[in-house]
Amino acid sequence: AQTVTQSQPEMSVQEAETVTLSCTYDTSDQSYGLFWYKQPSSGEMIFLIYQGSYDEQNATEGRYSLNFQKARKSANLVISASQLGDSAMYFCAMRELQTGANNLFFGTGTRLTVIP
Amino acid sequence: NAGVTQTPKFRVLKTGQSMTLLCAQDMNHEYMYWYRQDPGMGLRLIHYSVGEGTTAKGEVPDGYNVSRLKKQNFLLGLESAAPSQTSVYFCASTPGGTNQPQHFGDGTRLSIL
Repeated sequence: AQTVTQSQPEMSVQEAETVTLSCTYDTSDQSYGLFWYKQPSSGEMIFLIYQGSYDEQNATEGRYSLNFQKARKSANLVISASQLGDSAMYFCAMRELQTGANNLFFGTGTRLTVIP
Repeated sequence: NAGVTQTPKFRVLKTGQSMTLLCAQDMNHEYMYWYRQDPGMGLRLIHYSVGEGTTAKGEVPDGYNVSRLKKQNFLLGLESAAPSQTSVYFCASTPGGTNQPQHFGDGTRLSIL
């Protein structure tokens, strides 16, 4: 069974600092993708970043980067230069590519608070 | 650019009532999904569709039905609402493909008394 674990229900970071949100996953497939979404208090789900299991380099998108360690089955999200607007829930999700349905399996999320 | 639109945004039902949630996407995506989000549990997949006229069960399908008669629309039905179905419901779509994210609607907050 596919599982995604976000072990930190809540985290806080000082404005302008860097924070790492943890995500570990379990799958028996070799081909999969990992996604991070942000959910602000307004409720919408915003796609942040993607990492494929065969990607040799860690993904980066602006202030967001992924620390992908395939052997450890972890895909931690790194947010640099934190801003007050980064306060939100963050979800890690895994897609197994062999099923053909493109389903996502979500973790339970981490609530991040940025302290001014 | 509308993207994924969910109707309604809020609804209160009484136990035993029925209702349909509508999801519409204007991106010509093949794949569509319905999730529910409950506190502390992340998003769980209810049903999904890999193309017009197809539907399949997800992780938590009991008590729900779906239909995808048109490619752009994915309907979620509750035949006899129960308090356990109080939740926030999200619809999502994706064109498919390895690195394509799912695009989400803004959610429907459903309360069942």
